[in-house]
Amino acid sequence: IAGITQAPTSQILAAGRRMTLRCTQDMRHNAMYWYRQDLGLGLRLIHYSNTAGTTGKGEVPDGYSVSRANTDDFPLTLASAVPSQTSVYFCASSESLESDTQYFGPGTRLTVL
Amino acid sequence: GQNIDQPTEMTATEGAIVQINCTYQTSGFNGLFWYQQHAGEAPTFLSYNVLDGLEEKGRFSSFLSRSKGYSYLLLKELQMKDSASYLCALMDSNYQLIWGAGTKLIIKP
Repeated sequence: IAGITQAPTSQILAAGRRMTLRCTQDMRHNAMYWYRQDLGLGLRLIHYSNTAGTTGKGEVPDGYSVSRANTDDFPLTLASAVPSQTSVYFCASSESLESDTQYFGPGTRLTVL
Repeated sequence: GQNIDQPTEMTATEGAIVQINCTYQTSGFNGLFWYQQHAGEAPTFLSYNVLDGLEEKGRFSSFLSRSKGYSYLLLKELQMKDSASYLCALMDSNYQLIWGAGTKLIIKP
């Protein structure tokens, strides 16, 4: 059982380029999340999904979009990357939004130049 | 709004006990979480408190006082592998986690 996988592990991207971060879980969890983590700040929620076919905005959704076509996959897209989107991105999942445990993927380190 | 405060960094000695505090302000509350994050790795779940009191799990315990907006994580018999950041997070009325900036714990031999 892999849990949650993310790809790529790291990426350097030119400003203005489009980028999709991939996230896949094999635990059949209903809820999935995307966070960004920056030095000195707590994890901040970008977008989440309660179940396949539904998504919602978190604390910092601007410049990002997500889709949830099926239970396992939850890609995060940066339509036109900007340097302020340089961060470590974590995908997470839980059985439901109300669950007491979120399981995190290994993260993607993104640098936008 | 919501606000979470925890110390930026703490140092402790191998074999000792350390308490990491977390204070919060929120209008809606559905639980208080502690996660551990080693440098360069993903956060991993440690504990969850929704009622007042102490929850014990081996060397780790977590305490919650909802009336005081206060929680702590207690780590006993510290080991070098406990060197990590400890993240406090509260679940708000929309079941979203609001995270503190984390406490970096340095263990010295």
